[in-house]
Amino acid sequence: GENVEQHPSTLSVQEGDSAVIKCTYSDSASNYFPWYKQELGKRPQLIIDIRSNVGEKKDQRIAVTLNKTAKHFSLHITETQPEDSAVYFCAARILFGNEKLTFGTGTRLTIIP
Amino acid sequence: NAGVTQTPKFQVLKTGQSMTLQCAQDMNHEYMSWYRQDPGMGLRLIHYSVGAGITDQGEVPNGYNVSRSTTEDFPLRLLSAAPSQTSVYFCASSPIGQGNTGELFFGEGSRLTVL
Repeated sequence: GENVEQHPSTLSVQEGDSAVIKCTYSDSASNYFPWYKQELGKRPQLIIDIRSNVGEKKDQRIAVTLNKTAKHFSLHITETQPEDSAVYFCAARILFGNEKLTFGTGTRLTIIP
Repeated sequence: NAGVTQTPKFQVLKTGQSMTLQCAQDMNHEYMSWYRQDPGMGLRLIHYSVGAGITDQGEVPNGYNVSRSTTEDFPLRLLSAAPSQTSVYFCASSPIGQGNTGELFFGEGSRLTVL
């Protein structure tokens, strides 16, 4: 089955600097790669996603890049703000296949004011 | 439109007791799934279903049973609870096929403690 590895497990960044979280996946059939943000005590919420036919996607301060050949994808957050502090999860999913979505183990991002 | 509703939100069990975590969605989603979340281990898939009458195992299915008799409901059963099943459980759903953006919609979570 799919295996998603995520690094780093913790990340501290000065406010205003950029943060990068990296993930790798194992199943070449995976074609959908979302990123979820989870605040303490809350449910995970989708912040950005990318499909396998696209190499990069951007939404304001957040961007995701995908390298299908190397089977890795990354989340980039620029101009970080205190409200960006949370746990971030990458995931991989096979849409129009078994539909299973597999998560990485998460990155705890702390923004230092 | 309530989305994905999980009950109960909190539960304390003794080892060996049984219980059912309920999950219902009112969005007519074909795909439903259960995850458990433990510190440092992310969200691990327990069981999932792509439609009524169809279920399959995820990464950590042992100790859990599921059934999908209707599109709306996907209960998770613990037949004999163990302390290792202490966790936060999330139910999530999505459409499949055309119109599926890929996004999973999560319930609020159920915190289970097994003593």
